[in-house]
Amino acid sequence: DGGITQSPKYLFRKEGQNVTLSCEQNLNHDAMYWYRQDPGQGLRLIYYSQIVNDFQKGDIAEGYSVSREKKESFPLTVTSAQKNPTAFYLCASSLRTYSNSPLHFGNGTRLTVT
Amino acid sequence: AQSVTQLDSQVPVFEEAPVELRCNYSSSVSVYLFWYVQYPNQGLQLLLKYLSGSTLVESINGFEAEFNKSQTSFHLRKPSVHISDTAEYFCAVSEWFGVNTGNQFYFGTGTSLTVIP
Repeated sequence: DGGITQSPKYLFRKEGQNVTLSCEQNLNHDAMYWYRQDPGQGLRLIYYSQIVNDFQKGDIAEGYSVSREKKESFPLTVTSAQKNPTAFYLCASSLRTYSNSPLHFGNGTRLTVT
Repeated sequence: AQSVTQLDSQVPVFEEAPVELRCNYSSSVSVYLFWYVQYPNQGLQLLLKYLSGSTLVESINGFEAEFNKSQTSFHLRKPSVHISDTAEYFCAVSEWFGVNTGNQFYFGTGTSLTVIP
């Protein structure tokens, strides 16, 4: 079955450490997105990528970095510069060339930094 | 940019009662509309979508939503809720910016639906 796989489901890190969240999709989608979810704030866009080797900052990119070396993969690194990294992170994808393509989501990674 | 407003952050409702979750968006420029459902510690699942055609769209589990262009609304309804409908519901709008830029998605802050036995 096609889908988006995020790993790990739960991640614990000490303050000051960088951490990378994995996102892999086998839907053959061009576009991939990273969202952060905090209670009562909905989804906020961190980064998105429409094609391989290209990505754009979203609304809250500070303290995060991404790469898009393969169509299937869009890892997110939460750096030590991110002031409040504890959150639920969601990866999503869609078809770039279809205007009515919805977002498909992975099951998320819950990151806790202490 | 679009803004999406979900007026009710929490909606408690008794089992088998009807429910309406409200969603308004800011611009009637050509957009596509979606409702997503999220269960605890899971990702968002697409519940239903309005792309074009009939303004009333239905999901397989009894939810329906009506697109109202003049009121820029896309409210979600179910005539009789079940315990299993307890979840967070997100309204989303997408705008198309061409092949190079693709879709931009805008989300509401979510409505927590709690079905009371």
